[in-house]
Amino acid sequence: QKEVEQNSGPLSVPEGAIASLNCTYSDRGSQSFFWYRQYSGKSPELIMSIYSNGDKEDGRFTAQLNKASQYVSLLIRDSQPSDSATYLCAVNGGNQFYFGTGTSLTVIP
Amino acid sequence: NAGVTQTPKFRILKIGQSMTLQCTQDMNHNYMYWYRQDPGMGLKLIYYSVGAGITDKGEVPNGYNVSRSTTEDFPLRLELAAPSQTSVYFCASSYPGASGELFFGEGSRLTVL
Repeated sequence: QKEVEQNSGPLSVPEGAIASLNCTYSDRGSQSFFWYRQYSGKSPELIMSIYSNGDKEDGRFTAQLNKASQYVSLLIRDSQPSDSATYLCAVNGGNQFYFGTGTSLTVIP
Repeated sequence: NAGVTQTPKFRILKIGQSMTLQCTQDMNHNYMYWYRQDPGMGLKLIYYSVGAGITDKGEVPNGYNVSRSTTEDFPLRLELAAPSQTSVYFCASSYPGASGELFFGEGSRLTVL
């Protein structure tokens, strides 16, 4: 059973702060890693993908990957109330995607 | 620009009834997936397909069946509905390969009473 683990939270940060979300995975052969954002009652939407070790930045979002430690993280800078959602970590293992249980983030105005 | 379309969006079933959740994608994706999401939980894979005529079980296939007769359609069949199948169901599709991201439908909320 390939596992993806996240802290379920909830995580609360003040507006303008940095939110840090973490994810670990069990399958060393995994090649692709994704962060999805899911608003309450909505479907997940992709916000970041990362495939190689290091950092990848896209606007206020930075994904970090460390394959040796089997660790993926997402940093959200200058957090906004609109960032309040559940963030799902997903790992591509062959033909399947494995998801963590998600971290609930609340940004307090 | 439809993407992945699921129907119905909401459904209430009685125990023992059967139904089919429909999923269609217009992106010519080879790979399609059915997930269920229970409250406060992540997504659990029910079945997936890597192309027309090919399907395979995921983590939680019991009580479900699928077929893939065309690239576009991937219906999920619930036989003899049970309260444990109360959940939100998401259909998704992707390009093949390790870098393919998942595109999700809007979800189908099913309640079994």
